[in-house]
Amino acid sequence: GNSVTQMEGPVTLSEEAFLTINCTYTATGYPSLFWYVQYPGEGLQLLLKATKADDKGSNKGFEATYRKETTSFHLEKGSVQVSDSAVYFCALPASGGSYIPTFGRGTSLIVHP
Amino acid sequence: KAGVTQTPRYLIKTRGQQVTLSCSPISGHRSVSWYQQTPGQGLQFLFEYFSETQRNKGNFPGRFSGRQFSNSRSEMNVSTLELGDSALYLCASRLGDSNTGELFFGEGSRLTVL
Repeated sequence: GNSVTQMEGPVTLSEEAFLTINCTYTATGYPSLFWYVQYPGEGLQLLLKATKADDKGSNKGFEATYRKETTSFHLEKGSVQVSDSAVYFCALPASGGSYIPTFGRGTSLIVHP
Repeated sequence: KAGVTQTPRYLIKTRGQQVTLSCSPISGHRSVSWYQQTPGQGLQFLFEYFSETQRNKGNFPGRFSGRQFSNSRSEMNVSTLELGDSALYLCASRLGDSNTGELFFGEGSRLTVL
C-alpha cells in the first residue's frame, strides 16, 4: 500500500534561515503529491501540490518538486519567518477504489525571532 | 464562501459517556471524512461519506460511528468513552466524487476524556 515518510521534528530554526523538510513516498503509479500545513489551534490547509513528475508546487515562498526518480517531495523555503511556525504534513491522495489518503506523521517547525 | 464548520470546538467528557461531533462541509461538497489526531499516532483516518453512504472505514472499534445527512452535514459518535479517545477530531470535505482532490479541513473538535 501507499506510505509517506517524513523527517521527524521538531525542526527549530532562526528567522531568515533556510528550511528543508524531507518527504519520501511509496505508491503505485504517479499520484499527485500534497503538502498540508496546520497552524496552532487550526485544522490542516493545503500549502501546495504537484500533479506529475518534475512539477514544482509553490505557495507563500514554499516550494516542493515532484521527483519520481527518488520518490521524494521535499519542502523548502529560502527564508523562514516566525509566522511559519506550524506542523507540516506530506500526503498522498487515495488510490484505486479507496477513499483513504495517506498522511505523513507531520513535522513541527519552530521559528525563533 | 464559508469553510468547514465543526461543533463543538472543545468538550470534556468522563469515561463511559458518549459524545456526538458535528461537521458542516463547504457548500456543494458532498464528500466528508473524519480523522483522529493525537501526538502519539498522528493523523488517523476514521471514515468517509459521500451522498449519505460510508465508502471507507478506518481501523477503529465499533464504538466509533458516523453518518451523513441529505444536506451533506455529518456527525460522528463515540460511545463508552475511554481515556485514549482524548484527541483532536478533524473533519474534511471535498468537492466531487474523486478520491484524489484537495481536502478542506475544519478547525477540529478537541475532546478531553477524564
